[in-house]
Amino acid sequence: QVRLVESGGGLVQPGGSLRLSCVGSGFTFGDYYMSWIRQAPGKGPEWVSYIDRRRNYTNYADSVKGRFTISRDNAKNSVFLQLNSLRGDDTAIYYCARDRRFDSGAYFDYWGQGILVTVSS
Amino acid sequence: EIVMTQSPATLSVSPGESATLSCRASQSVNNNLAWYQQKPGQAPRLLISGATTRATGIPARFSGGGSGTEFTLTISSLQSDDFAVYYCQHYSNWPPWTFGQGTKVEIK
Repeated sequence: QVRLVESGGGLVQPGGSLRLSCVGSGFTFGDYYMSWIRQAPGKGPEWVSYIDRRRNYTNYADSVKGRFTISRDNAKNSVFLQLNSLRGDDTAIYYCARDRRFDSGAYFDYWGQGILVTVSS
Repeated sequence: EIVMTQSPATLSVSPGESATLSCRASQSVNNNLAWYQQKPGQAPRLLISGATTRATGIPARFSGGGSGTEFTLTISSLQSDDFAVYYCQHYSNWPPWTFGQGTKVEIK
């Protein structure tokens, strides 16, 4: 069955950095776009970033553009999110998710269990 | 950015009854609308895509409707496992693909 497992979260000070990882299994990882989605406490999910199958194209929410970087390693069935210049409003559970593409849009058919990122001094 | 607005915020329903949740988009998203269910401490789970198509393994008591800017999710004969928070998400055109703020379905 499809499985996505995130790691790398934790407590970080404002201005700090973290690198999140997500390993996929149960499907041909390189055949799918992948996204990161976050959810602040008590809020709805927020799409953060996606990467295409071959690492040729990425896209970011305005709230993280210039601070976060998505990447992937298909040989390791992994997608990553580098979080720099972290702020308090980046505090959230971060999920990796498999994209299902439709025209230029995407919904998310499988999600990881999520990893908590807390930005606080 | 397309804003997704869900109503009501909370819906109190007795087991066995049906529930209808609403989702409104600030501009037309055609039928590029998904619904998710989220239980406490868990990730969202895809229920519906294309406004009306159930995802693999989703029971027939979940049905989606609507197009353009107005959408509904109906849960017929609610079971104990259905009490959760439900989110809609548009995937029309380029990102950002935005989610609603959620409707909590609680036991009456």
